[in-house]
Amino acid sequence: DVKVTQSSRYLVKRTGEKVFLECVQDMDHENMFWYRQDPGLGLRLIYFSYDVKMKEKGDIPEGYSVSREKKERFSLILESASTNQTSMYLCASRRTGNGYTFGSGTRLTVV
Amino acid sequence: SQQGEEDPQALSIQEGENATMNCSYKTSINNLQWYRQNSGRGLVHLILIRSNEREKHSGRLRVTLDTSKKSSSLLITASRAADTASYFCAMPVGSNDYKLSFGAGTTVTVRA
Repeated sequence: DVKVTQSSRYLVKRTGEKVFLECVQDMDHENMFWYRQDPGLGLRLIYFSYDVKMKEKGDIPEGYSVSREKKERFSLILESASTNQTSMYLCASRRTGNGYTFGSGTRLTVV
Repeated sequence: SQQGEEDPQALSIQEGENATMNCSYKTSINNLQWYRQNSGRGLVHLILIRSNEREKHSGRLRVTLDTSKKSSSLLITASRAADTASYFCAMPVGSNDYKLSFGAGTTVTVRA
């Protein structure tokens, strides 16, 4: 069964901490994505990567960075966590032209 | 900004009934996708329908696409309690289809 695995289901971090959210896919997909989901705001794209070492900003990249050193892994980095980054974070991957496969999500709380 | 809008926002039906939800969008697209999200989980891809297709089936799901009206519908037949979830339409944004824009979703509750 194909999978997108996010390293943590729940995470609690302190304001100002550097936070790493890891995402690994086993489907050899070219494209990978990070979204955040908030009540009333829906899913918003933070960053995406269409190939290894390539990255592009989504709609809300401020306060985030990403890394894609290997095809299967796409990391989201919160440089200095803030309370307004408390959210559900969803990673997805896909082969070009097909639908997304999502991970189970990481619910991040910044206190 | 969100390209798609689902209607209704919420739907409550009895087990065995059909559920229909609609999605309208603003600009031309080359495909439209439907996803399901169970509470607190990631989204699951249901169906992708391309702009040259009018209807597509997958098990108890039927999706239609009317490009002239810029709208799509998702029909779930013979609903089950396990169909309780939020359903989202999504479509590519921009000149390529890397990025998807998701609607706000329809929350479906299936009562036993």
